[in-house]
This record gives sequence, C-alpha cells and structure tokens, in this order.
Amino acid sequence: NAGVTQTPKFRVLKTGQSMTLLCAQDMNHEYMYWYRQDPGMGLRLIHYSVGEGTTAKGEVPDGYNVSRLKKQNFLLGLESAAPSQTSVYFCASKQGIMNTEAFFGQGTRLTVV
Amino acid sequence: AQSVTQLDSQVPVFEEAPVELRCNYSSSVSVYLFWYVQYPNQGLQLLLKYLSGSTLVESINGFEAEFNKSQTSFHLRKPSVHISDTAEYFCAVSEREDSSYKLIFGSGTRLLVRP
Repeated sequence: NAGVTQTPKFRVLKTGQSMTLLCAQDMNHEYMYWYRQDPGMGLRLIHYSVGEGTTAKGEVPDGYNVSRLKKQNFLLGLESAAPSQTSVYFCASKQGIMNTEAFFGQGTRLTVV
Repeated sequence: AQSVTQLDSQVPVFEEAPVELRCNYSSSVSVYLFWYVQYPNQGLQLLLKYLSGSTLVESINGFEAEFNKSQTSFHLRKPSVHISDTAEYFCAVSEREDSSYKLIFGSGTRLLVRP
C-alpha cells in the first residue's frame, strides 16, 4: 500500500533551470495539494486540485505551475528556479469531503543554487 | 480566510513530564481541526482530529486535545512524554472556500524531550 509517493526525493538545481515534481496517490482521492515547508513558517499551500483537470492557487503560487491530467497524479512545475524556492516540498491527498484527514508524501528536498 | 497560530516554536521538556502545545485558530461557523506530527526527515502523519461531538479527542499514543469553541483553541496535551515523542507538531484547520476545501497549517511547534 504505497499511499502518496513523491519523486524525486532530493534535487539540486541551478538558478534558471526548470523541473517537475511528481506526486502519485493510489487511494482514489479527489483532492491533492502541494505545500512547501520552510523553517519557522510551517507548511504553506502552493496549489491544490479538487479533481482531475482542475487546479487552484493557494497562499504562495508565484513561480509554480501545476497540472492534474490524471486523478492519481499531481505535478508541480518550476519554470525558472530561484534560490527563494529552496525548500522541502510536500504533496498530500484527501477525500473530497471536509472531515477527512490528508495523507502526506515523504517530501522532496530541493536546493536551488 | 482561516488562520492557525502556534505561539511556541519550540518546547523543551524532560522525559515523563507533562506537556501542552498551544493552538489557536480564527473563528468560523464550523471548523474541523487536526494535529499532525512530523518525525525527522519524514512526512506528516495524522495524530488526532476533531470533527464533532465530544470536545476531547485522544490519540493511540497518549496525546489528547480539547476543542474550546469560546476560546477558539485546540491545545494538544500529554501527561507524560517519552524521548520518542521528540518531533515537530502541526495544528491544522480545514477551511471551505467556494466549493472546495483547503487544509491550513500553523507554523509548527518543535517538541524536544530530554532525558
């Protein structure tokens, strides 16, 4: 039972490079989220999706794009990486009703130099 | 929009002592509250949740949290902590916006249990 799987686990990028983070869930959840975690700031919502083909902006969407072409996958893209995007990124998924918890992936540690 | 405040960034405590981690949220008509725990180099795991009914909720490893609507608080407590409880704890609230739900997190409290 894989749950929520994030790839890659670690990545170092040069400023200006692009990359895509992949999140896959096998629980048939409607909702999927991308967060970034920075020291002293907790988890901040970047983008989220309430179903296949839909996306919405969270608290800190600038510099990121997302796509949800398949229900089980939620991709986070950085078109032109900046040092300010150095962070740990977490993906989460949940059922589409309010009173259910979210399940998290193990995180992706991204460093932009 | 909802906000979640965890005033204590770090709480040091000796093993077997009691602990309370504070969480306050902004007021809402209805609210669903969660505590998540993050062990080093891992993702977040659900510790406990308040949905409705009894205001006191418990986890399987001895933690409990009490929903206090008048004080808009959801503090986490444990009467006797273990070294293995050392982790970061996040309070979260489920917020409805338009027709979708977002999970909003506090900034986290690092619990450091010392022998």
